[in-house]
Amino acid sequence: AQSVAQPEDQVNVAEGNPLTVKCTYSVSGNPYLFWYVQYPNRGLQFLLKYITGDNLVKGSYGFEAEFNKSQTSFHLKKPSALVSDSALYFCAVNYGGSYIPTFGRGTSLIVHP
Amino acid sequence: DTAVSQTPKYLVTQMGNDKSIKCEQNLGHDTMYWYKQDSKKFLKIMFSYNNKELIINETVPNRFSPKSPDKAHLNLHINSLELGDSAVYFCASSQAQTRNEQFFGPGTRLTVL
Repeated sequence: AQSVAQPEDQVNVAEGNPLTVKCTYSVSGNPYLFWYVQYPNRGLQFLLKYITGDNLVKGSYGFEAEFNKSQTSFHLKKPSALVSDSALYFCAVNYGGSYIPTFGRGTSLIVHP
Repeated sequence: DTAVSQTPKYLVTQMGNDKSIKCEQNLGHDTMYWYKQDSKKFLKIMFSYNNKELIINETVPNRFSPKSPDKAHLNLHINSLELGDSAVYFCASSQAQTRNEQFFGPGTRLTVL
């Protein structure tokens, strides 16, 4: 069984400030963790993933995420937010025993000028 | 060159009709998926399919059925459409490894009147 939680429906941040979008997970076995972004009226786009190795994963558009096994978290971060980062962000989890990932409910990121 | 394409982009129809949404991927992937995104942006997986196995989300009504003429195509057939079927439907593909990310199509907005 697997589950993922995104505790915030919306995150507001000023342009130029650091941003964090939270994700926690539960999985039977070693997790494969993903972040996707969805811009309005578009499909989801892959940002980054953690499979194994270094806990800090770097992805597209300057985003990074840190895998924390003890806290079962995989928070998405960016040092300096842009207005163009405003979008819906989804965290997803999978593991070796399943072909079907579980997606979180999504977090709307709003970056204010 | 579009990686995952869907047609049509918009579909407006009456209750009780039967409709199909087509999906094609040119990535050489061997697993394809259908997702439903509701008005609250929640993403729900409906099917996962490769040439070996069809995995159906048990909550999906049997009015919905995937049809795969070949590895690059996975169409979604919907019989006896209901008002609650109105949503955005996304097709996606990946390699059949749980550690691989998915590539999403642009979505089909279905409106049932």
